[in-house]
Amino acid sequence: EPEVTQTPSHQVTQMGQEVILRCVPISNHLYFYWYRQILGQKVEFLVSFYNNEISEKSEIFDDQFSVERPDGSNFTLKIRSTKLEDSAMYFCASSEDGTSGTLWEQYFGPGTRLTVT
Amino acid sequence: SQQGEEDPQALSIQEGENATMNCSYKTSINNLQWYRQNSGRGLVHLILIRSNEREKHSGRLRVTLDTSKKSSSLLITASRAADTASYFCATLLNTDKLIFGTGTRLQVFP
Repeated sequence: EPEVTQTPSHQVTQMGQEVILRCVPISNHLYFYWYRQILGQKVEFLVSFYNNEISEKSEIFDDQFSVERPDGSNFTLKIRSTKLEDSAMYFCASSEDGTSGTLWEQYFGPGTRLTVT
Repeated sequence: SQQGEEDPQALSIQEGENATMNCSYKTSINNLQWYRQNSGRGLVHLILIRSNEREKHSGRLRVTLDTSKKSSSLLITASRAADTASYFCATLLNTDKLIFGTGTRLQVFP
C-alpha cells in the first residue's frame, strides 16, 4: 500500500541553525501538508500546498518557515533559524484532493522528531 | 473553546471490552476523520465520515456523526491490547486543513 515517507526520523539541531525536513508524498496525490505536534499537545496545521504554491497557512507558519517541492517527488519544510519552541514532531500529509467540499482522506507520514537545543 | 474536543481524555479497559470515545466540534464541517497515534509515532487514518452520513463501520470500528449536536463517537468493539494508543478526531471545514481534537488516550489491559 502506498505511504507517505519522511526523513530523517529524528533531527537534533542547535538553536539558530537551519533545518530541512523532507517528505515523499503518495505519488498520485496533488495536495500536500505539514502539521506539527509539540510533545503532549494537539496536532496543529502549519501549511497546505497545491500546484506549486501555498494554498493556506496558519499563524504558526511565519517567515522562518518555507515549503518547496523541488522535484516531482519531494516536499520539504525549511526552518531558517530554529528556536527552542520549534521542538516538535513534524508530520507531512498528502491527499488526492484538498479543495473545499472534498471527501478525501489525508494520509500522514511517520513524522520527524525535531529537537532544538 | 476549541474545535474538536474528545472525551474522555483517558480511558482504561480490559481486553474484550468495548471502548467509546466522543468528539465535539464547533463549526459546520465537510467531513470528520478519526486517527490513531501510537506513543511517539505517526498518525494512522482510521475512518472518514461525511457530513451527510450518520454511521459508518470498518472492521471493529463504528463511527457515528450527529451534525445537529456537532458530535461524533468512535466505538472499538472487542478491544485488544494492540488498540492501546491515542485517538484523535479531526474535522475538515471549508478549507483543506484538518483541525485536530485533543485526543483520548486508550489503555487496553490484557
